[in-house]
Amino acid sequence: DVKVTQSSRYLVKRTGEKVFLECVQDMDHENMFWYRQDPGLGLRLIYFSYDVKMKEKGDIPEGYSVSREKKERFSLILESASTNQTSMYLCASSTLQGTGTEAFFGQGTRLTVV
Amino acid sequence: QKEVEQDPGPLSVPEGAIVSLNCTYSNSAFQYFMWYRQYSRKGPELLMYTYSSGNKEDGRFTAQVDKSSKYISLFIRDSQPSDSATYLCAMRKGSNYQLIWGAGTKLIIKP
Repeated sequence: DVKVTQSSRYLVKRTGEKVFLECVQDMDHENMFWYRQDPGLGLRLIYFSYDVKMKEKGDIPEGYSVSREKKERFSLILESASTNQTSMYLCASSTLQGTGTEAFFGQGTRLTVV
Repeated sequence: QKEVEQDPGPLSVPEGAIVSLNCTYSNSAFQYFMWYRQYSRKGPELLMYTYSSGNKEDGRFTAQVDKSSKYISLFIRDSQPSDSATYLCAMRKGSNYQLIWGAGTKLIIKP
């Protein structure tokens, strides 16, 4: 069974803290993505990576950075957490093989910044 | 204007009804059209995808693409309470693996 695993389901952090969200996939996928999901706004792409050590900005990269040192792991970093970063964060992976239509998602991390 | 527009709902229908979910888009370069289903407190999962125009059927689900109108639909026949979820449309161009998402429609099937 294919799997994308996010390190935490729920996180509560204080304003100004540095926050790390970890994502691991076991499918040997080339592409990995970080999204945030807010009511009425759908999925918004923060960053994506198509190879180890490669990263591309998505639609809303401000306040975030990422790291991909190994193919299976993609980390999202909130440099200085703020209350407007309270959201559901979803990691996904996909392959360049075939149609490339299917993205596999983790279960999500609900982050609350207080 | 967003590239992909989707009514967030909620859409509430009785069990057994036919459900129609829709998205419109503005970029004629989109070639792959997908529907994802997301249950509460879970990540989205791919339900169906269609390449270019036409229909695709899978059990009670039918996906339809009308490229001339830039409009895609998902039909659910004989809807069940277990179909209650948020349905997200997604699209991508042929040369780019990045998906562009609709906002998602929350569907509620009442027993």
